[in-house]
Amino acid sequence: EDQVTQSPEALRLQEGESSSLNCSYTVSGLRGLFWYRQDPGKGPEFLFTLYSAGEEKEKERLKATLTKKESFLHITAPKPEDSATYLCAVQGAPSSASKIIFGSGTRLSIRP
Amino acid sequence: DAGVIQSPRHEVTEMGQEVTLRCKPISGHNSLFWYRQTMMRGLELLIYFNNNVPIDDSGMPEDRFSAKMPNASFSTLKIQPSEPRDSAVYFCATLAGSARGELFFGEGSRLTVL
Repeated sequence: EDQVTQSPEALRLQEGESSSLNCSYTVSGLRGLFWYRQDPGKGPEFLFTLYSAGEEKEKERLKATLTKKESFLHITAPKPEDSATYLCAVQGAPSSASKIIFGSGTRLSIRP
Repeated sequence: DAGVIQSPRHEVTEMGQEVTLRCKPISGHNSLFWYRQTMMRGLELLIYFNNNVPIDDSGMPEDRFSAKMPNASFSTLKIQPSEPRDSAVYFCATLAGSARGELFFGEGSRLTVL
């Protein structure tokens, strides 16, 4: 059964203090691993798709990396506006009609 | 495009009542997903459709839950009868066939069952 586990559950950082969020996954034939951001009272918003081990994607202060068993979301010199819940999701084989399942998320708080 | 539109945004009802949540997907998106989010269980996949056909409903908690997609422009999630443990935020999300994993979420429907 496909499974996604995220850690830590919550992370509090000082502004400018870099860190990483972890996403471990088990899936039959990875079609894609995805990162989303969710602000309070809103639906999740898409950030990145990673397709294969070794791939990296960047957006502003965020960089996502992928290995065969886990993904990291690195946050460099974060700002208070980066505070949100970050969700990891996976889609397995065989096709684009496959289900997408989410981890429970990491609540990130950046103090000024 | 207005994005994924869900209604109602908030619903408060009493145990035993029927609840119907509605979703209008983005035009041209051929996959539609219903998720439920709680603090305890996170974001759970309930059911998803591809080209209006239900593909996997293994996440639907029990027979009290049902979902339909009568056409490409509309889907409903119904709970009958509702119970307090159904209290959660229910999200509808859609996906264009060519885009892997880029789900577009609605604002969610917050359900409270008293």
